[in-house]
Amino acid sequence: EPEVTQTPSHQVTQMGQEVILRCVPISNHLYFYWYRQILGQKVEFLVSFYNNEISEKSEIFDDQFSVERPDGSNFTLKIRSTKLEDSAMYFCASSQGRGQETQYFGPGTRLLVL
Amino acid sequence: AQSVTQLGSHVSVSEGALVLLRCNYSSSVPPYLFWYVQYPNQGLQLLLKYTSAATLVKGINGFEAEFKKSETSFHLTKPSAHMSDAAEYFCAVSDRGYSTLTFGKGTMLLVSP
Repeated sequence: EPEVTQTPSHQVTQMGQEVILRCVPISNHLYFYWYRQILGQKVEFLVSFYNNEISEKSEIFDDQFSVERPDGSNFTLKIRSTKLEDSAMYFCASSQGRGQETQYFGPGTRLLVL
Repeated sequence: AQSVTQLGSHVSVSEGALVLLRCNYSSSVPPYLFWYVQYPNQGLQLLLKYTSAATLVKGINGFEAEFKKSETSFHLTKPSAHMSDAAEYFCAVSDRGYSTLTFGKGTMLLVSP
């Protein structure tokens, strides 16, 4: 069964450093998403991406964040200058459509900013 | 803005007992509703979803949920808990026409022998 994959599974970085989180969505999906979950808190939407551009983003997704689909398979989230409060589990998801379409989630990348 | 409330951060049941996990949403227009499960060190897996067809929705692993518009609820149930059901369960909503999922805080289900 096709699945969303994410690399790395864990990343430790120093405050102020740039990190890139990588995701390979399910191959025939058209919509891609990033969510995050700070320890002990709810899963929060960051951004959705369709047709090579951002379609929706939350207030969390400020100028330090960017997303890219550099080739036909990868979908990346870049955090330019990490802050302590960026420590969280980051989930990538993909879907064939929007609204009622199921979003399939990857296993997540646990980011720790020191 | 949508919000989702899951009552109880932890629910404990005995194996074989009824499982009831509560979810209430805030919306004047019925949204799409989802239940996801997260096992340790894994991603979120869809259990079931409501998309305005039948109000009683059956999902995987014997779970089902009933959409009740008058109560703005979408509670998740399973008649008989198994040890393998121990996991964290998330209720989520999506407004029609949008792709954003808004999640509840999650409920950890603990199953004892």
